[in-house]
Amino acid sequence: AQTVTQSQPEMSVQEAETVTLSCTYDTSESDYYLFWYKQPPSRQMILVIRQEAYKQQNATENRFSVNFQKAAKSFSLKISDSQLGDAAMYFCAYKDDKIIFGKGTRLHILP
Amino acid sequence: GAGVSQSPSNKVTEKGKDVELRCDPISGHTALYWYRQSLGQGLEFLIYFQGNSAPDKSGLPSDRFSAERTGGSVSTLTIQRTQQEDSAVYLCASSIDPRKGTIYFGEGSWLTVV
Repeated sequence: AQTVTQSQPEMSVQEAETVTLSCTYDTSESDYYLFWYKQPPSRQMILVIRQEAYKQQNATENRFSVNFQKAAKSFSLKISDSQLGDAAMYFCAYKDDKIIFGKGTRLHILP
Repeated sequence: GAGVSQSPSNKVTEKGKDVELRCDPISGHTALYWYRQSLGQGLEFLIYFQGNSAPDKSGLPSDRFSAERTGGSVSTLTIQRTQQEDSAVYLCASSIDPRKGTIYFGEGSWLTVV
């Protein structure tokens, strides 16, 4: 069965600095999607970035980028120039038909 | 609709009562997912639909939980004889295709069982 592991329950970063959130997954599939979602206290799940497994190029969205290592089954999220509004719970997710989420990393931004 | 819509936003119910939670996915999305999130916890998969059928019901915690989807659109999650441990946020999401496409979430239904 597919699994998603986020090994960092909590992280802190100074405002304007860069932080990397880790995610590893396990699957025997070759075609799948990976996502990072942000969940602020409102509980709304907000899509941050997505990556198709067949694409070698790492996805980027403004200050957010990923390091996708398919062979290693690793999918880390880098947040550059961290802002106070980035403080939230971040979930890594794997999708082929069912979607599996990691347990999340709580990110604190220090002013 | 423009986004995934869930109702009610908040529900307080007495232990032992039945509740129904509704999800209206994005128009044209064939895949629909239900998750449960208890306070401070991650997302627990409950069930997903492809059209009106549910290929995977493995996450339903007990036989008190059931879900249906009609017309390939609206889905209802029903919890019978609610218990205090059912208190959680119930999140619905949809995707244009179960194997492709981004999943979009509703704002959730906050259920409190007293």
